[in-house]
Amino acid sequence: DGGITQSPKYLFRKEGQNVTLSCEQNLNHDAMYWYRQDPGQGLRLIYYSQIVNDFQKGDIAEGYSVSREKKESFPLTVTSAQKNPTAFYLCASSISGGAPLHFGNGTRLTVT
Amino acid sequence: AQTVTQSQPEMSVQEAETVTLSCTYDTSENNYYLFWYKQPPSRQMILVIRQEAYKQQNATENRFSVNFQKAAKSFSLKISDSQLGDTAMYFCAFMKLSTGTASKLTFGTGTRLQVTL
Repeated sequence: DGGITQSPKYLFRKEGQNVTLSCEQNLNHDAMYWYRQDPGQGLRLIYYSQIVNDFQKGDIAEGYSVSREKKESFPLTVTSAQKNPTAFYLCASSISGGAPLHFGNGTRLTVT
Repeated sequence: AQTVTQSQPEMSVQEAETVTLSCTYDTSENNYYLFWYKQPPSRQMILVIRQEAYKQQNATENRFSVNFQKAAKSFSLKISDSQLGDTAMYFCAFMKLSTGTASKLTFGTGTRLQVTL
């Protein structure tokens, strides 16, 4: 079955460490996205990408980095520069403009 | 920048009753898409309904329908014959079409809906 796989489901890190969240899709979608979800704030866009080797900053990109070396993969790195990294992170993909986004199951990151 | 406002943080409805969730948005664009997503306790984001701004007809998906008022920039979701499985967080979202880059989806802060017996 086609879908979006995010791993791991739960991730724990010590403050000051970089951590990479995985996102893989087999839907053959061109566009991929990363969102952050905090209680009471809905989903906020971190980075998005339309094609391989090209990506744009979203509304809250500071402290995060991404890569898009393959169409299927869009990993997100949470760096030590991110002041409040503890959150629920959602990856999504879309076939084209106007089409709905399909979401993965999310990764809950806890930094202590 | 586009903004999406959901003014009802929490709502409650009895099983089999009808409930309406409100959403307003702010944009200067003429061509865009609007969505309602549902997030149950599993936290999986599930598409409920999609509306194209150039279509005057309101979208409908089974028990879910929208009231799209383009001039008022309003996009409410009506759930008929509410079921316990409808208990979830509901997010309204706006998508402006972009050329050359992926189209961004902007979300509201959500409405938590509780369906009771």
